Amino acid sequence: GAVVSQHPSWVICKSGTSVKIECRSLDFQATTMFWYRQFPKQSLMLMATSNEGSKATYEQGVEKDKFLINHASLTLSTLTVTSAHPEDSSFYICSARVSGAAAYEQYFGPGTRLTVT
Amino acid sequence: RKEVEQDPGPFNVPEGATVAFNCTYSNSASQSFFWYRQDCRKEPKLLMSVYSSGNEDGRFTAQLNRASQYISLLIRDSKLSDSATYLCVVNLFNDMRFGAGTRLTVKP
Repeated sequence: GAVVSQHPSWVICKSGTSVKIECRSLDFQATTMFWYRQFPKQSLMLMATSNEGSKATYEQGVEKDKFLINHASLTLSTLTVTSAHPEDSSFYICSARVSGAAAYEQYFGPGTRLTVT
Repeated sequence: RKEVEQDPGPFNVPEGATVAFNCTYSNSASQSFFWYRQDCRKEPKLLMSVYSSGNEDGRFTAQLNRASQYISLLIRDSKLSDSATYLCVVNLFNDMRFGAGTRLTVKP
């Protein structure tokens, strides 16, 4: 149980285009989902916290108009990188917290590798 | 000061060695603590929680010292399959904060 999927697993896009990444909890409901970014040899950096049915909470320094997050259901959150640039190339990982559970009951998706050319 | 600090390594050890990783955290209000393992280009996976009394899971032992705001992970009898990056994670008010990770390579 407690499987989180992400799609796509790898995407290459041209500068200026937008990319949507999906995060799904497959066998549990997740009121809260998290989006992280990880650059090579660096730690996971929390970008935003997404709650089902409400606006996402963004971490300081993360542009909400550039990284659009939608959490329309208890099993799906999406991150759209708008007008992507090469510096947005990174590993994007989502995690989903089991509804009503403690913080550590948080499961990670396999990540999406974004390369912007 | 970073919220969660770890020695980035890399630690290169022979099979069978014992290796220890350390982690410090800045916020004394932090409530719970974990070690995660992350393989290259994969998502992090929970290795074990860390308790004040210390806890052991097979070859892995985790310790927490709240007074010093310090967490450790000890791996005994290292296996090749232990090669990975080990992330120290601190939970503060339901926010999980990750250290940068310590890279371990176990060599034959």
